[in-house]
Amino acid sequence: AQKVTQAQTEISVVEKEDVTLDCVYETRDTTYYLFWYKQPPSGELVFLIRRNSFDEQNEISGRYSWNFQKSTSSFNFTITASQVVDSAVYFCALRDITGTASKLTFGTGTRLQVTL
Amino acid sequence: DVKVTQSSRYLVKRTGEKVFLECVQDMDHENMFWYRQDPGLGLRLIYFSYDVKMKEKGDIPEGYSVSREKKERFSLILESASTNQTSMYLCASRDTGGSDYGYTFGSGTRLTVV
Repeated sequence: AQKVTQAQTEISVVEKEDVTLDCVYETRDTTYYLFWYKQPPSGELVFLIRRNSFDEQNEISGRYSWNFQKSTSSFNFTITASQVVDSAVYFCALRDITGTASKLTFGTGTRLQVTL
Repeated sequence: DVKVTQSSRYLVKRTGEKVFLECVQDMDHENMFWYRQDPGLGLRLIYFSYDVKMKEKGDIPEGYSVSREKKERFSLILESASTNQTSMYLCASRDTGGSDYGYTFGSGTRLTVV
């Protein structure tokens, strides 16, 4: 069975601090996809990144970066120089490619609070 | 801009009522999903549909049913609402022919059963 663990329930940082959100996953698939989503107070999930299991290169997008390590089954997300607008709940998710439709299995989310 | 629209943002219903949550997408996506979101539990899959009139149970289907008569609309039905179904409900759709950031989510319906 697929499982995604986000051990950090809530993180509070002061603006301009760097923060890392942890994600550990379990799957028996050899091919899989990992995602990060942001959920601001408005409620809608906003896509941030997808990573497939064959691509272990780290990715950077502006202040965001992702560290995918297959050896430890982790896909961590770092925000550099955090801003108040980064305050949200962040979800890590794993895509199940078996069956008739591709389903996302989500972690329990990490609430990030960035204060001035 | 592609959209998934959930008909109600907030809903209050009484125990025992039959409740319909509606979701419409304008992207011609084959796959549609219903999740519920609870604090500390993340998003859990209730049902999904891989095509019109096709549906499969997710991880927590008990107490729910779904209907997909047209490609663009996926309805979640609570046959007899109970207080433990008070939750945030999120609908999503996915384009099977496109890239995997093809999951698009609605803004959610916060349902309170009293």
